[in-house]
Amino acid sequence: DVKVTQSSRYLVKRTGEKVFLECVQDMDHENMFWYRQDPGLGLRLIYFSYDVKMKEKGDIPEGYSVSREKKERFSLILESASTNQTSMYLCASSQTGFGTHEQYFGPGTRLTVT
Amino acid sequence: DAKTTQPPSMDCAEGRAANLPCNHSTISGNEYVYWYRQIHSQGPQYIIHGLKNNETNEMASLIITEDRKSSTLILPHATLRDTAVYYCIVRVAGDNNDMRFGAGTRLTVKP
Repeated sequence: DVKVTQSSRYLVKRTGEKVFLECVQDMDHENMFWYRQDPGLGLRLIYFSYDVKMKEKGDIPEGYSVSREKKERFSLILESASTNQTSMYLCASSQTGFGTHEQYFGPGTRLTVT
Repeated sequence: DAKTTQPPSMDCAEGRAANLPCNHSTISGNEYVYWYRQIHSQGPQYIIHGLKNNETNEMASLIITEDRKSSTLILPHATLRDTAVYYCIVRVAGDNNDMRFGAGTRLTVKP
């Protein structure tokens, strides 16, 4: 089974703190994604990466950065956490190349910024 | 990506088949139909996908109309654990970009 794991299920941070969310996948997938999910807004893409050290902005990259130093690991960084970044954060991975490329999601991290 | 339309909510009796509809009237010839579900407080789970033929796996069946403008996800014997939000997504094969999740259908399986 494909396994995508995220470092924490629940996280509480203070405004202004630097926050690291870690995601690891064990299927040798090239693509990795970070989404946030908010009530009424669905899933919104923050960043994605299609290879080591490569990254692309998604729909809402402001206030976030990412790091992909190893193929299996994709980190989301909140440089200075704010209350409007309170959300559920979801990591996903998928294969590349021709094919249907279903995405496999981690369990999510519910981040609260106070 | 083509947009999809799903009913916001549905109920189903435990043990009965759950049929979840999805309209995708502007789907292109190279776009697949994917179904995911999200159980409360968990990440989305892939269920099934198809292009134009009907598909079946251990979780569900996917019926796509001949004109491909709509599809139905069938859970043949719904259980309480199938209570979740179900998302229908259309997407080009080989697209490395994100999945566009809409609002989905909240399925409640009742005893």
